[in-house]
Amino acid sequence: EVQLVESGGGLVQPGGSLRLSCAASGFTFRSYWMHWVRQVPGKGLGWVSRVNSYGNSTTYADSVKGRFTISRDNSKNMLYLQMDSLRAEDTAIYYCVRGSSGWYGVDYWGQGTLVTVSS
Amino acid sequence: EIVMTQTPLSSPVTLGQPASISCRSSQSLVHRDGNTYLSWIHHRPGQPPRLLIYKISTRFSGVPDRFSGSGAGTDFTLKISRVEAEDVGVYYCMQTTQFPDSFGQGTKLEIK
Repeated sequence: EVQLVESGGGLVQPGGSLRLSCAASGFTFRSYWMHWVRQVPGKGLGWVSRVNSYGNSTTYADSVKGRFTISRDNSKNMLYLQMDSLRAEDTAIYYCVRGSSGWYGVDYWGQGTLVTVSS
Repeated sequence: EIVMTQTPLSSPVTLGQPASISCRSSQSLVHRDGNTYLSWIHHRPGQPPRLLIYKISTRFSGVPDRFSGSGAGTDFTLKISRVEAEDVGVYYCMQTTQFPDSFGQGTKLEIK
């Protein structure tokens, strides 16, 4: 069974940093691209970032480019999102999402972790 | 960025009755490889979002056949043939044809 478990969310002040983690299990992690998607409370979903299966190619939404860094450790089946220079508008539930195999898209989602940026 | 627009934003339905959600994209979702990467995702409160349909009409693993997808180009539809209680929640269309991936605003399905 595919499982994605996020952790690391919490309350942080504007300008602060936070590192999210996602523990993956139930599939061959090193074979899949991975994504972060967020949901602002009461609003819809928004794609944040993705990393290829090797970890050497990353892309970001314009809203987080230069502030967020996605990475992975295939030896530990872990995905990360380092978030720096956080803003109030980054407040959201952050989901770890698996890239699909054989077609362009995403398939399995984690439960999410809440990040609140507030003074 | 491709803008995805869903209608309706809220849909009260009676158990056992059909339901339909529309999704329109601001540009064609036909990829250069000939496929159309339009997915439907279901999000129940307290649960992780769940993929229902991908490439317009292909049901994902374990998805009941009461869910079906159709459409082409810029106009797509998700249909539930007979709504069950577990179908409540928010439904999103998502395009992954063109970077960046983008979502519709969501349609809240609730039982009358």
